[in-house]
Amino acid sequence: GQNIDQPTEMTATEGAIVQINCTYQTSGFNGLFWYQQHAGEAPTFLSYNVLDGLEEKGRFSSFLSRSKGYSYLLLKELQMKDSASYLCAVSSLDSNDYKLSFGAGTTVTVRA
Amino acid sequence: ETGVTQTPRHLVMGMTNKKSLKCEQHLGHNAMYWYKQSAKKPLELMFVYSLEERVENNSVPSRFSPECPNSSHLFLHLHTLQPEDSALYLCASSQDHRASPAANYGYTFGSGTRLTVV
Repeated sequence: GQNIDQPTEMTATEGAIVQINCTYQTSGFNGLFWYQQHAGEAPTFLSYNVLDGLEEKGRFSSFLSRSKGYSYLLLKELQMKDSASYLCAVSSLDSNDYKLSFGAGTTVTVRA
Repeated sequence: ETGVTQTPRHLVMGMTNKKSLKCEQHLGHNAMYWYKQSAKKPLELMFVYSLEERVENNSVPSRFSPECPNSSHLFLHLHTLQPEDSALYLCASSQDHRASPAANYGYTFGSGTRLTVV
């Protein structure tokens, strides 16, 4: 199986930057996803990394280091609506089947 | 509207009741999934259906019984549940469970059913 670790909670101020780290251990690595989940709502796709480096998408960026089993999601210019849970998910290939395994999620609270 | 619709949104049931959760996807996907989401825990994959055939059952107790009558609909039948089964049950879909999730941008999730067993 996969061990996926991310912090449980983070708090930041509106307009600030927050970095959510995710470490994983897996075989057959096939990419890493970040999802955003507001309370009572569906998880929604934010980003996907399969090669090392930084992917920037507006205020959100995601970084991957495959050799270190490490990723982070960077949220810039925080807004109140960014308060949500952020899920790190690792895709792996196991016996010709792709599996998507999730971390427990990081709850980000943005304060005014 | 995420393209994946789950009903009901909330459900309270006694341990002797029988109820069903419903999931419907409007995306033309061929694979559907049931996940259990408990507080402070990772999403747990319960069942995978591909082209209406169950391809994975992750050691889920028999009090949970899935049904997939066609590629657009997925049910989870519940009976004699325990209080520890209280959780958010999420349905998801993807183009093909044998294709890399990268090709699908991962999975598309429904908003879930919040289940409370009393």
